This record gives sequence, C-alpha cells and structure tokens, in this order.
Amino acid sequence: IQLTQSPSSLSASVGDRVTITCRASQAISTYLGWYQQKPGKAPKLLIYAASTLQSGVPSRFSGSGSGTDFTLTISSLQPEDIATYYCQQLNSYRPLTFGGGTKVEIK
Amino acid sequence: EVQLVQSGAEVKKPGESLKISCKGSGYTFGSHWIGWVRQMPGKGLEWMGIIYPGDSDTRYSPSFQGQVTISADKSISTAYLQWSSLKASDTAIYYCARQVYGMDVWGQGTTVSVSS
Repeated sequence: IQLTQSPSSLSASVGDRVTITCRASQAISTYLGWYQQKPGKAPKLLIYAASTLQSGVPSRFSGSGSGTDFTLTISSLQPEDIATYYCQQLNSYRPLTFGGGTKVEIK
Repeated sequence: EVQLVQSGAEVKKPGESLKISCKGSGYTFGSHWIGWVRQMPGKGLEWMGIIYPGDSDTRYSPSFQGQVTISADKSISTAYLQWSSLKASDTAIYYCARQVYGMDVWGQGTTVSVSS
C-alpha cells in the first residue's frame, strides 16, 4: 500500500487553517495515523484510527477520512506546530507504510 | 511512565556487524508489538518491521527482509535490531516504537554511521 501526501511543503501564517492530505493506493478503512516530527526529535503520534486524537494532543489538530482519502487539519497554526507531518497506514503489517511527509513552515 | 530507551550512537566500518537495542519500561513489554523505523539523513520515515515480544512473532517490510534481523528478549524487556554486514547506505537514525493504535511511544533514536 502506497501513501501519497500533499503538499510536500507549505508555508502559512500564525492563526491560519492548515490542511494536509494523504491518499492511499487502496482502501484502508480508517486504519491511518498521523505523526508530527520536529527537527532532531523522534516522531510523535497525533491521531490514530483516522480521527481519534491521541491523549495530550491539542484540540486544534483533527483528522478525517476513510477508504483512500484522509486529511489532517490544524485549525489555527501556532509557532510550535512547525514540523514535518507524516501519515502511516495501520491496516495490518504488510508493511505499515509512511507517507513522504509534509514540511510546515511559518510565513 | 511508559518509555523506550535505545542504545547509544554507533560508528562502524562497512562489513562490520552491529546489534542495537531498545529497552521498555512502565508497561508489560511482552504484550505490545515493537516496531523499527529508519530515517536516512534528511529523508522521511521508513517502516522496517515489527516484533511481538510475547512470542517473538516477527514481520518485515519487503524492503528490509534479509537485510536486518529483529529480535526480542521479553525477560529483560528489550528488542533488538541487527546487521550482519553493514553498508554505507545503512547510515541513518533508527527508532523503535511501541505499536498499539499507531506507534504511540518512541525511543530517542540510535544514530548509526557507517564509513570506511
């Protein structure tokens, strides 16, 4: 299963609504996770099962989608959200592919 | 606190062998899958494979099958990733992570540098 993220990078202003998409090459129901990785740090799980917020993650992050098309939304971009974001398919270990990543910068 | 602590950075020569470790604490290590992820310099995340320490059931990504070996010793709550003959292209940061609904707990990463 291949995952295609878009865009590969984006620049937005503080307070903007930011949307990242992830498309799977075949249907994966809601078996999708989203991660945030800041420079020099390990990734952090933000969302699993396509739309369930991991404990402790700010509510400005949300996820949606099912089947082949998924979205990660940051409702109001904050300076601490500067990072690269990855989706990962979680539909059995065949393997658990990651998307190529989306780098988010502040304009 | 649930955490995974990985072994330290390694500098190796091509052809050498290597085994890095990932020690879990704060939870029942044998009851959750542990996965390994590679990140080459300046690149994205690549899922390598996964092991269930309870019975050592192991699955590999086709890209890494035969290139590495994943193992675990639940008696000491530790998972391992090993190479029998390193290549320069194995230079990367390697992360372990607990796999529940997504990879919810990550190690700090082990940097492996392979150069002649």
